[in-house]
Amino acid sequence: EDQVTQSPEALRLQEGESSSLNCSYTVSGLRGLFWYRQDPGKGPEFLFTLYSAGEEKEKERLKATLTKKESFLHITAPKPEDSATYLCAVQAGDNFNKFYFGSGTKLNVKP
Amino acid sequence: EAQVTQNPRYLITVTGKKLTVTCSQNMNHEYMSWYRQDPGLGLRQIYYSMNVEVTDKGDVPEGYKVSRKEKRNFPLILESPSPNQTSLYFCASSPRDRGVGTEAFFGQGTRLTVV
Repeated sequence: EDQVTQSPEALRLQEGESSSLNCSYTVSGLRGLFWYRQDPGKGPEFLFTLYSAGEEKEKERLKATLTKKESFLHITAPKPEDSATYLCAVQAGDNFNKFYFGSGTKLNVKP
Repeated sequence: EAQVTQNPRYLITVTGKKLTVTCSQNMNHEYMSWYRQDPGLGLRQIYYSMNVEVTDKGDVPEGYKVSRKEKRNFPLILESPSPNQTSLYFCASSPRDRGVGTEAFFGQGTRLTVV
């Protein structure tokens, strides 16, 4: 069964304390892996797409990487405004319209 | 401004009373989809549409219907809502060349409570 698992469920950091979020997946035929940010009361906001192992993408303090079994979202020197829930999703299988989300990591960055 | 608009934002209804949640996008995207978000389960795809008059089931389609008569609109219909459909619903749209979920724009969500 296709599955996406994110860890940890919640993460509390001090401002400036770098860390990583994990997204592991077991799917047949990965077409792409995506990271979204979701603020309370809002819809998810697209961050990155990764298509193949070894690929990396960066945006401000965020860097996403991809291996054959997992992806990491590295947060360097986070600020309180980085507090949000980060969602990972995979697009997989023969029917590339199927899309599976993890349950997210809730990040809280304290000043 | 590029956006996906859902209505209503909040809805409380009774079991069995048919309801429709509307979704409209102004980006001329071919692909649209509906998700429900439940605590601990993440976002789960209900239905998606690849273009006008082309729809297909996602992972959790039971109890839902959709239609795509115009490119910009993709309503979600609950013909006989039940309490287990209480959830937060999101509509999303994305450009055609990379599939339904890629670089998707999401609406603000509709919080539905069925009593």
